[in-house]
Amino acid sequence: EAGVAQSPRYKIIEKRQSVAFWCNPISGHATLYWYQQILGQGPKLLIQFQNNGVVDDSQLPKDRFSAERLKGVDSTLKIQPAKLEDSAVYLCASSRKGQAEKLFFGSGTQLSVL
Amino acid sequence: GQQVMQIPQYQHVQEGEDFTTYCNSSTTLSNIQWYKQRPGGHPVFLIQLVKSGEVKKQKRLTFQFGEAKKNSSLHITATQTTDVGTYFCAGLGFGNEKLTFGTGTRLTIIP
Repeated sequence: EAGVAQSPRYKIIEKRQSVAFWCNPISGHATLYWYQQILGQGPKLLIQFQNNGVVDDSQLPKDRFSAERLKGVDSTLKIQPAKLEDSAVYLCASSRKGQAEKLFFGSGTQLSVL
Repeated sequence: GQQVMQIPQYQHVQEGEDFTTYCNSSTTLSNIQWYKQRPGGHPVFLIQLVKSGEVKKQKRLTFQFGEAKKNSSLHITATQTTDVGTYFCAGLGFGNEKLTFGTGTRLTIIP
């Protein structure tokens, strides 16, 4: 079975610029997650979708971050404008139903904000 | 909010020695999951524990869920170079169904 696909793998931008990340979950997985992982820390949940609806976005900085999941399949995460502290790896994950089941992670996008 | 801490933060062991990481939650958990992240890689699911006092084994790895369902441990017997990486626990809270990742324990092996 194909895994979670993410792109791009790396991105370097200057502060105040905008950036977008793309994720295609495992086929048939209803739940999609975006995590932010700062170097040396554990993944922090930004947003969780169940099909195309938002389940949890309590830790998403909504003044600059936005995410959507079109037609309940793939998803994009956008940052506009980026700040230096946004430098991190952005991980997309999916699961069949919800967080009570194991998560499958993509390879992530490493973002550097200069 | 729910917090999940792991100790130690780092562990350097000689190849062949044992390794243990401990996970502690500020709240009672519905279940706990363990993930391994190799250097430069992404987290990969290892196991899920659900029952109070549950113990599960995977070859040289032994996972335990505490009686109070607030702590867990991962023990690796006779470490190998392939065990290198960061081990994360992730706790699922009761009611809120929110999975919170721990701070991780980074394991390095001295050949």
